[in-house]
Formats: sequence, structure tokens, C-alpha cells
Amino acid sequence: DIVMTQSPDSLAVSLGERATINCKSSQSVLYSSNNKNYIAWYQQKPGQPPKLLIYWASTRESGVPDRFSGSGSETDFTLTISSLQAEDVAVYFCQHYYWTPPAFGQGTKVEIK
Amino acid sequence: EVQLVQSGAEVKKSGESLKISCKGSSYNFANYWIGWVRQMPGKGLEWMGIIYPDESEARYSPSFQGQVTISADRSINTAYLQWSSLKASDTAIYYCARQGGDQAASYWYFDLWGRGTLVTVSS
Repeated sequence: DIVMTQSPDSLAVSLGERATINCKSSQSVLYSSNNKNYIAWYQQKPGQPPKLLIYWASTRESGVPDRFSGSGSETDFTLTISSLQAEDVAVYFCQHYYWTPPAFGQGTKVEIK
Repeated sequence: EVQLVQSGAEVKKSGESLKISCKGSSYNFANYWIGWVRQMPGKGLEWMGIIYPDESEARYSPSFQGQVTISADRSINTAYLQWSSLKASDTAIYYCARQGGDQAASYWYFDLWGRGTLVTVSS
């Protein structure tokens, strides 16, 4: 199985500042035949289901603010919130969907400093 | 509105059986994979398994194979997650979610989520 490891487990960022979350897969999730990285990112606020932010490592889901961006390839990926807003307080999860079983990272809690 | 509506919270005892549901609406339910994700209290997300309603083809995570059964009834746009004998450790919120991307694509990220079903199992 592919194991997903996020860092840090939590971070506190001032409003308007950049937040960066890392996600590492235990093996490459880049599929050579289509040159796509099988990585998604989700946001989960308290008492709510997860919400898809990013798929294919860097494609923003419709309606997601452009302050959210994803990058990376093969085994190392990053979710960046360019200017943290109060409504971004949440737990963020990465997920690979390269093969069965897909797996999530353990989550990163983002708070306001 | 495109949505997944899950059945209500359940309180059960160890050893009892349970079947929870997830009904899709306003999209072609049969041709999108529906997955199930567990979230234990205060914990992260665990991918349990997934089903393609049109063919009732199900795939399971090894961690959940044999522990649960995933099924679907395409005639009523509903997927199910079932236990034959619950344990206290099954206490969790269970989410159903729809695969992202084009219908029938086997890209198992999730673009649409239900609100979750809280299952509480007492010993």
C-alpha cells in the first residue's frame, strides 16, 4: 500500500500570510502513460464533510478560491494557501488515488496565529 | 441539486447488524463510482471501499475486506454499507462520496460528499 505522510500536523498562520502543507507518498504516484500525479487535496471544517479543493495535484476544483494552489510531482506535494483567511481554518487532507486502496494523509490542522 | 443524502444516525449494540444508505440525486447515479470513507472520533479519513452501481462491482481496502459489505441498487439511486456484527470499534462517522471526473472514470478522488452517518456502537 502507498502511505501518505503530511507535515506539519498543525500550523498557525497570521491572517493574510502564506500557509504551506506538505504531503509525501511512500512511492511515486505519477502515472507515466498520462503524465498525471494522482493526488487530491481536501478541506474539512468542524462538523462538515470534506470538500475537494485540488485534484491531479494542481487542478483547482470549480468554485475554489485561487488562493489555494497545489504543486509537486512523483512523491512530494504541497498545498499552499497564499493569503490565509479566517474561513480557511480547517483540517486539510491529501489523498492518493493511484491504485487500490487509495489512502489519505493524517491531516494538517490550520489555525490563525 | 446534485447531492448525496445519507441515512440518519444509528445507535447499536455490539454484535448487532446494520445497513446505512446513501441516495444520489440529480445526476446519473449508475455511472459514477460511490465510495465509503470512515472517520473515527477526532481522527482522519480512511478509504473503505467503492462500488460502481451500474454493475454492482465493488472494490475494498484490505483493511475493510470481510468486515463490511458495500452494495448498490441502481433502480433507486442508492448505495449501502453493511455490517453483520458490529463492534465498539466501528463507532465512527461514515461518509459516502462520488468519484470525481467523467462518469465511469476510475479516478477515485471524490468531488461530492454526503453529510455523513454517525454510527455509535456500545459494548
